[in-house]
Amino acid sequence: SQKIEQNSEALNIQEGKTATLTCNYTNYSPAYLQWYRQDPGRGPVFLLLIRENEKEKRKERLKVTFDTTLKQSLFHITASQPADSATYLCAPLVSGTYKYIFGTGTRLKVLA
Amino acid sequence: DAGVIQSPRHEVTEMGQEVTLRCKPISGHNSLFWYRQTMMRGLELLIYFNNNVPIDDSGMPEDRFSAKMPNASFSTLKIQPSEPRDSAVYFCASSLAAGELFFGEGSRLTVL
Repeated sequence: SQKIEQNSEALNIQEGKTATLTCNYTNYSPAYLQWYRQDPGRGPVFLLLIRENEKEKRKERLKVTFDTTLKQSLFHITASQPADSATYLCAPLVSGTYKYIFGTGTRLKVLA
Repeated sequence: DAGVIQSPRHEVTEMGQEVTLRCKPISGHNSLFWYRQTMMRGLELLIYFNNNVPIDDSGMPEDRFSAKMPNASFSTLKIQPSEPRDSAVYFCASSLAAGELFFGEGSRLTVL
């Protein structure tokens, strides 16, 4: 069955450093992959979408890579700030559908 | 636009009672999704609609769950009868085709 793995343990980093979060998927060949941010008590908020023919996508301090051979996406936040503290979710698209399946998320804490 | 609107925000009910959750998607979006989020299982897709038609309900836990979308601006998720294990946050999201998902703030359900 389709499976998505994200680091279940929280990631603590120092302010100003680059945070790198990993998303691995199996039994999947997604055409798109999205990343979301979720704050406590709120719904997820879209950050970035990357297509299978794109190796990398950037938006301000955010960068996403998509390696279809490794079946992995990496999400980077450069010059991290305490305000970046949240849970980050990856969501590959099931091919041929509009269905996005979410990983369990990685909780990031940026320490001042 | 006001975004995706869900109601109620909080619901506390007793086992065996019927629960109805409501969602108003963003105007113009043609896909609507119901997700359930728990600590143990993360964000699970229950069902999604495209152009008001249910496309995939394979995530609906059992016959106690049902969802409808009578028109493009309204959807309901009903649980009858409810059980304590249904306690979770239920999110509704809408999108245009396979684009980014816009989530509501969620309905937190507690079944005693």
